[in-house]
Amino acid sequence: GQQVMQIPQYQHVQEGEDFTTYCNSSTTLSNIQWYKQRPGGHPVFLIQLVKSGEVKKQKRLTFQFGEAKKNSSLHITATQTTDVGTYFCAGYGAAGNKLTFGGGTRVLVKP
Amino acid sequence: DGGITQSPKYLFRKEGQNVTLSCEQNLNHDAMYWYRQDPGQGLRLIYYSQIVNDFQKGDIAEGYSVSREKKESFPLTVTSAQKNPTAFYLCASGQGAYSTDTQYFGPGTRLTVL
Repeated sequence: GQQVMQIPQYQHVQEGEDFTTYCNSSTTLSNIQWYKQRPGGHPVFLIQLVKSGEVKKQKRLTFQFGEAKKNSSLHITATQTTDVGTYFCAGYGAAGNKLTFGGGTRVLVKP
Repeated sequence: DGGITQSPKYLFRKEGQNVTLSCEQNLNHDAMYWYRQDPGQGLRLIYYSQIVNDFQKGDIAEGYSVSREKKESFPLTVTSAQKNPTAFYLCASGQGAYSTDTQYFGPGTRLTVL
């Protein structure tokens, strides 16, 4: 079955630094979605990418969908303490009816 | 979030008991989903429903059952057959758009089996 992997599993970042988290699928995806889960909270939808090579920005967050539609990345610039949480990528495969989540990247920010 | 409620927030159960988790949404969404999250893990799909009176198994349906008698409600029963039920259970809903559906999550229920 379809598998979605995320690396790294944990990311310790100094406040003000940049970092990138990566998402890789075993199969081609029709789209990729990103969610953020704050500690003790529930996942909240951030963004969806549909086109091959698509890049979208939300303030300090930049999301990219790979050319082959099998990978994606999230780059955060000038990390702040509000960025703490777990970031999940998720994608629909060819069947299109189930969203498969990656294991998440847990981000910890050092002030 | 915003229109999806789950109850209770915390639930304790003795081994061998069935327990039902509630999920209600007032977003007029067609699709509803149940996920399980274990500590430090991602989300795994238990069951989903794209229309009233119809539902499909997800990746880890064994030991769980659901019903979808109303559009607004999608309760999940954790049966005694589920061997390791302690987890965080998340309900979500979406408009049901094929292969592009974004999901709105409820606050979750933390189930602990004593």
